[in-house]
Amino acid sequence: QSVLTQPPSVSGAPGQRVTISCTGSSSNIGAGYDVHWYQQLPGTAPKVLIYGNSNRPSGVPDRFSGSKSGTSASLAITGLQAEDEADYYCQSYDSSLSGLVFGGGTKLTVL
Amino acid sequence: QLQLQESGPGLVKPSETLSLTCTVSGGSINSGTYYWGWIRQPPGKGLEWIGSFRYSGSIYYTYYNPSLKSRVTRSVDTSKNQFSLRLSSVSAADTAVYYCATGPSDVVTDRWYYMDVWGKGTTVTVSS
Repeated sequence: QSVLTQPPSVSGAPGQRVTISCTGSSSNIGAGYDVHWYQQLPGTAPKVLIYGNSNRPSGVPDRFSGSKSGTSASLAITGLQAEDEADYYCQSYDSSLSGLVFGGGTKLTVL
Repeated sequence: QLQLQESGPGLVKPSETLSLTCTVSGGSINSGTYYWGWIRQPPGKGLEWIGSFRYSGSIYYTYYNPSLKSRVTRSVDTSKNQFSLRLSSVSAADTAVYYCATGPSDVVTDRWYYMDVWGKGTTVTVSS
């Protein structure tokens, strides 16, 4: 059971917009700790997509955006493309555990 | 360009100790503001933080996942720009892809903020 909760799967057609939620609690996201998002393509290492809730590293398309409110965070992907099909993970810090925590991951399928 | 490469045995017997090494190129482990550490991913499952450290003022600040803390040890060889993980008393539940990674420290928590460079990962199977 992951400390951060994500939907197991989401799907969308090419060109559409999808969002992936990440729900935490008062000891992590709700405590004000930042949320980061990773994309993991099949058979590869994760890659940071969003850091500090809403910042994109250089090279990440602006189709990807992040937001945070209360005890939750969201990753939005607009203009879905076939190459976006991957697993997505959120990550934050938890003060009760005194460590980094991840969501269980969400598999994005592009229909 | 900073690169990380994991190395270690692909197969470990139950109850034995798993040892993995991460070799860093293009940067120094003693950079101070960066954290270095390990994340693992069991087959078909999500990511789990194992532990991380950073070097500052001749001190290594080290943090471990509480669920693994009693079995994990990290070591550093600055002459080779390598850091290592030892996980004792392994069981089948420790079968996973093990990644080493690095990233900046959080100005608020002074802990690992996020991972911005990852190794390719190495698969470890625990089986007799």
